[in-house]
Amino acid sequence: DAGITQSPRHKVTETGTPVTLRCHQTENHRYMYWYRQDPGHGLRLIHYSYGVKDTDKGEVSDGYSVSRSKTEDFLLTLESATSSQTSVYFCAISWDSRGTEAFFGQGTRLTVV
Amino acid sequence: TQLLEQSPQFLSIQEGENLTVYCNSSSVFSSLQWYRQEPGEGPVLLVTVVTGGEVKKLKRLTFQFGDARKDSSLHITAAQPGDTGLYLCAGGSQGNLIFGKGTKLSVKP
Repeated sequence: DAGITQSPRHKVTETGTPVTLRCHQTENHRYMYWYRQDPGHGLRLIHYSYGVKDTDKGEVSDGYSVSRSKTEDFLLTLESATSSQTSVYFCAISWDSRGTEAFFGQGTRLTVV
Repeated sequence: TQLLEQSPQFLSIQEGENLTVYCNSSSVFSSLQWYRQEPGEGPVLLVTVVTGGEVKKLKRLTFQFGDARKDSSLHITAAQPGDTGLYLCAGGSQGNLIFGKGTKLSVKP
């Protein structure tokens, strides 16, 4: 299995509180992605990174920020959580964005109450 | 914005039947990938198709990339309950990896 871990695996938080999800890889892959998965919407890209301190927005970036200070760590922050951000969040890694395999973490189930 | 449309959204069949699911786009992709996701897990890659017209076989699964590299199909022969899951297609686009919404397949014994 690819060395990619997400933490926490489950979290319940209150509306308006900040939340940070962590993705850690041991594969030295250049690209890292954060997706959210919701029924009827599939996997939607939130942000991605193509190197240390190099990040860009995805399809549903509003309300989220990311940081990548080291190759192995990619953090996703919800500055002020809302109920619409209740979802399952997946981190993925790949060598590049043009056809090499993406490896996924096991997901973080976030509930905002 | 590049989009990947998958059909059907849901498919419920009996064990032993054949099925085909589709992934279509109005844009050209340099390659497309198919993933399978089981409940509570992240997606896992099944195959990558790169060349227009390419056909790849993985046991009972046959993957085809359209000649124009805008569409792909996944055909399963003699489906088994173990094939149950969410099938996702994905393509690289301007530095990021986008996914279709998936086909949720249920194979009943």
